Amino acid sequence: GESVGLHLPTLSVQEGDNSIINCAYSNSASDYFIWYKQESGKGPQFIIDIRSNMDKRQGQRVTVLLNKTVKHLSLQIAATQPGDSAVYFCAENPPPNKLIFGAGTRLAVHP
Amino acid sequence: GAVVSQHPSRVICKSGTSVKIECRSLDFQATTMFWYRQFPKQSLMLMATSNEGSKATYEQGVEKDKFLINHASLTLSTLTVTSAHPEDSSFYICSAVGVYGYTFGSGTRLTVV
Repeated sequence: GESVGLHLPTLSVQEGDNSIINCAYSNSASDYFIWYKQESGKGPQFIIDIRSNMDKRQGQRVTVLLNKTVKHLSLQIAATQPGDSAVYFCAENPPPNKLIFGAGTRLAVHP
Repeated sequence: GAVVSQHPSRVICKSGTSVKIECRSLDFQATTMFWYRQFPKQSLMLMATSNEGSKATYEQGVEKDKFLINHASLTLSTLTVTSAHPEDSSFYICSAVGVYGYTFGSGTRLTVV
């Protein structure tokens, strides 16, 4: 199967702080990107997406940044809450319409 | 909103037997469904892409004769793990592609004993 890396780093933050989760994608032909949140034993939950003709998109408390030059995505979570604790994955959509997941980052929010 | 039902959520089977996992899109039609496998503390690994009415496309290294995929209708795809072995124990997740984009099932925890 195809995946970008098999490591799962952890980001620990204090409640109320801003979190920044980074992701490197692999295919320069990918034109659509999605961030997912996954809680233990569950399927991925959509957070926010962005198309390749944009470099920034904002949602409620979340912002995604896209740098196509270096094939890099980031997810910013403002005022991180304990309920944000989960594993976060970026996913890219290379031709012919696959959805490939990045390595993932575990976010641990401490009170 | 889009809902994908995946069943069963957990299954334990004996080594050598086969297990079928169902993935249904409840309120939309899905011409494409993806099947993923996820080992503990790892990412989702794409196994295959299933298109309604045609043969599935398998990723490199995934045995098509072991992981049988059927996408007989626009709302149902099945993954059958044949002659399961302990190393097939994993979390299997489907994703249906439709008007709502990519919608994921809640996953199936397969344990082969």
